[in-house]
Amino acid sequence: DAGVIQSPRHEVTEMGQEVTLRCKPISGHNSLFWYRQTMMRGLELLIYFNNNVPIDDSGMPEDRFSAKMPNASFSTLKIQPSEPRDSAVYFCASSLMDLGNEQFFGPGTRLTVL
Amino acid sequence: GESVGLHLPTLSVQEGDNSIINCAYSNSASDYFIWYKQESGKGPQFIIDIRSNMDKRQGQRVTVLLNKTVKHLSLQIAATQPGDSAVYFCAVTISGTYKYIFGTGTRLKVLA
Repeated sequence: DAGVIQSPRHEVTEMGQEVTLRCKPISGHNSLFWYRQTMMRGLELLIYFNNNVPIDDSGMPEDRFSAKMPNASFSTLKIQPSEPRDSAVYFCASSLMDLGNEQFFGPGTRLTVL
Repeated sequence: GESVGLHLPTLSVQEGDNSIINCAYSNSASDYFIWYKQESGKGPQFIIDIRSNMDKRQGQRVTVLLNKTVKHLSLQIAATQPGDSAVYFCAVTISGTYKYIFGTGTRLKVLA
């Protein structure tokens, strides 16, 4: 298995632009998570999907952030418009949500908003 | 959750020595614990996990110890190698739920 796949690996954009991050979870996993990691705040859960349905989006910073999971093998995290404070590494993780099975993380997307 | 701040605790060990990294948690209902390793520029990688019905679990060169009485777990790495250099952090959760509480990371530096 290739593991969790994320694209792009690096994204540099200008303030105000739309940014779309993509994730392909591990085949067979029914849960998907988007995290943001910064030096100051560490790993923060943004949103959690179970069976393609958003269960908890309380970690989404504001309305500029949105996430979708149209099918079991694909998810997007969109920021529109982007701001410099959104600069961070964004991780996607997936798991088979069965009595707390471990979450497998993707390689992350390093986002820089100028 | 806890955060990994600018000033990560750092553990420096000599190559070949054993390393011990600690983690404290606060929720006594937590019953599933995971150690992750994060190398520079990569995502967190699962190392080993333990459930609350155990107090020790061993993997290849790694051992996790769980003390539920004082809500503490540790990761022991035997014969530390240069490839072990990374940030290590624990994740704590309750089985059947999805929220992980990530501990403060510890940067492990292996000295040649």
